[in-house]
Amino acid sequence: GENVEQHPSTLSVQEGDSAVIKCTYSDSASNYFPWYKQELGKRPQLIIDIRSNVGEKKDQRIAVTLNKTAKHFSLHITETQPEDSAVYFCAASISGGYQKVTFGIGTKLQVIP
Amino acid sequence: NAGVTQTPKFRILKIGQSMTLQCTQDMNHNYMYWYRQDPGMGLKLIYYSVGAGITDKGEVPNGYNVSRSTTEDFPLRLELAAPSQTSVYFCASSYPGGRGADTQYFGPGTRLTVL
Repeated sequence: GENVEQHPSTLSVQEGDSAVIKCTYSDSASNYFPWYKQELGKRPQLIIDIRSNVGEKKDQRIAVTLNKTAKHFSLHITETQPEDSAVYFCAASISGGYQKVTFGIGTKLQVIP
Repeated sequence: NAGVTQTPKFRILKIGQSMTLQCTQDMNHNYMYWYRQDPGMGLKLIYYSVGAGITDKGEVPNGYNVSRSTTEDFPLRLELAAPSQTSVYFCASSYPGGRGADTQYFGPGTRLTVL
């Protein structure tokens, strides 16, 4: 089955700096890569996703890059703000069909004011 | 739309007791999932369903059972609760095609403690 590795497990940055979280996956058939943000005590919520037909996607301060050959993808947050503090999960799955999503272990991001 | 709802929010069980965690979605999604999240850990898939009457095991199904008699509801049954089942349980749903496909919509979670 699919295996998703995520690092770092914790990340502290100063407000205004950038944060990068990296994930690797094992199943070359995976073609959908979402990122979820989970604030303390809340449910995970999708913040951005990328499909295997593109290499990069951006939404305001958040961007995701995908390297299919190397089987890795990354989340980039620029100009970090205290409200970006949360746990971020990457995931991999095969779009449509039986959508068994495999999640990474999560990265706890702390933005220091 | 209410999205995905779960009840109860919190529950304390004694070892050996049983209970059902309820999950309902009003988005007409085909797919539904149950995850457990242990402290400081990621999400582990317990069971999933691709439609009414169809369920399958995920990564950590032991000690749990599910049913899916309608599109909306996907209850998770714990039989003979054990301390190892202390966790936060999230239900989620998604649909396979069209705009916004594949995104998993999570419920608010049920925090279960087994003592």
